[in-house]
Amino acid sequence: QVQLQESGPGLVKPSETLSLTCDVSGGSITITNYWSWVRQPPGKGLEWIGEISHNGFANYNPSLKSRVAMSLDTFKNQFSLNLTSVTAADTAIYYCTRESGAYVPFGHWGQGTLVTSSS
Amino acid sequence: QSALTQPASVSGSPGQSITISCTGTSNDIGTYNYVSWFQQHPGSAPKLLISAVSDRPSGVSYRFSGSKSANTASLTISGLQAEDEADYYCSSYTSSRTYVFGTGTKVTVL
Repeated sequence: QVQLQESGPGLVKPSETLSLTCDVSGGSITITNYWSWVRQPPGKGLEWIGEISHNGFANYNPSLKSRVAMSLDTFKNQFSLNLTSVTAADTAIYYCTRESGAYVPFGHWGQGTLVTSSS
Repeated sequence: QSALTQPASVSGSPGQSITISCTGTSNDIGTYNYVSWFQQHPGSAPKLLISAVSDRPSGVSYRFSGSKSANTASLTISGLQAEDEADYYCSSYTSSRTYVFGTGTKVTVL
């Protein structure tokens, strides 16, 4: 059973870069086609951030595209999210997900990690 | 891209059936059968309930079913139980090769 675990700083200063990692355990990161990031501001709904394929192709939410970068590290069996120039609006629980079939990108979820943007 | 539209809240008594709608456009739900539904209890990560409009993953109760008509997808919960009280979200693939979530629906069991 492949499991996901997000990690990274819980507090980021405004204008700085948010960096998170999703550790994949129980299987190789190369066995799944797409890995995604989703976020949820406190008390609000879900927002798709983007996805990255097993061979490094990334696809982002147009509203975040100018600030987002995702990468994949097959040696460490993890994938990462960088979000630049953060503001209070980026305060959210960030989830990494694994697809469970074609066009089913959110089949399996990590537990999520809360990131707060504040000085 | 705009979020898919869901009712803010739906309620029902134990044993009843309820339906949650998810309205999109011809650029997402209306064209693609890549609609998923999720259940989220407070403090927990979302859980996949339905994929590809109406497919139930292994382990998901038969009481959850999905359908689609034109630009609107629906999730029906039959035989409502106390444990079904949660937030529910839909999602869809879009013609821009992106994904969009619904606004979310809070289900209350009376």
